[in-house]
Amino acid sequence: EADIYQTPRYLVIGTGKKITLECSQTMGHDKMYWYQQDPGMELHLIHYSYGVNSTEKGDLSSESTVSRIRTEHFPLTLESARPSHTSQYLCASSWLGELFFGEGSRLTVL
Amino acid sequence: GENVEQHPSTLSVQEGDSAVIKCTYSDSASNYFPWYKQELGKRPQLIIDIRSNVGEKKDQRIAVTLNKTAKHFSLHITETQPEDSAVYFCAASSTQGAQKLVFGQGTRLTINP
Repeated sequence: EADIYQTPRYLVIGTGKKITLECSQTMGHDKMYWYQQDPGMELHLIHYSYGVNSTEKGDLSSESTVSRIRTEHFPLTLESARPSHTSQYLCASSWLGELFFGEGSRLTVL
Repeated sequence: GENVEQHPSTLSVQEGDSAVIKCTYSDSASNYFPWYKQELGKRPQLIIDIRSNVGEKKDQRIAVTLNKTAKHFSLHITETQPEDSAVYFCAASSTQGAQKLVFGQGTRLTINP
């Protein structure tokens, strides 16, 4: 089924650990995005990509990095996690302006 | 860049009544205005959108109006039901250039039985 998948759904890690949040979509969309959202709160764009080998920083400064080596895959990496990174991270792809969101990865850094 | 303001931040209405959520945007180049609904613990999902070539769009109990001159757009939900309880986000973007969707702050809508 065409969808956008995120793993892990939940992650609890210690300060200083490196983590990668995975995002894959099977819809063939060129445009992909990462949003950071505290539960029920505003959606902040942290990274976006318009295609393979294209990545840009979003409106909210983030210490994370992204890569886009394949159309369907848009992983987000934190080299050294801190408690301030505790949040939910939503991946999305878009077609004709409409965003399709994944179910999110809820990260807790102790 | 684009800035979207959304009001109110919380809204509580009686079941069966209407709810209205309002947004303003700053960039006159924006021409696409979607509304997303996010239920508790779920992902945001598009419920209705409007493009700048129309002033109003309706889909069953929900409607969106757009005033490009005033840079306002609003979501109207009639005959509200308990399943309408959620956080609603407006957004704006241009279909030219960067095409980044900028979201409002969200409105938590509660339908009281």
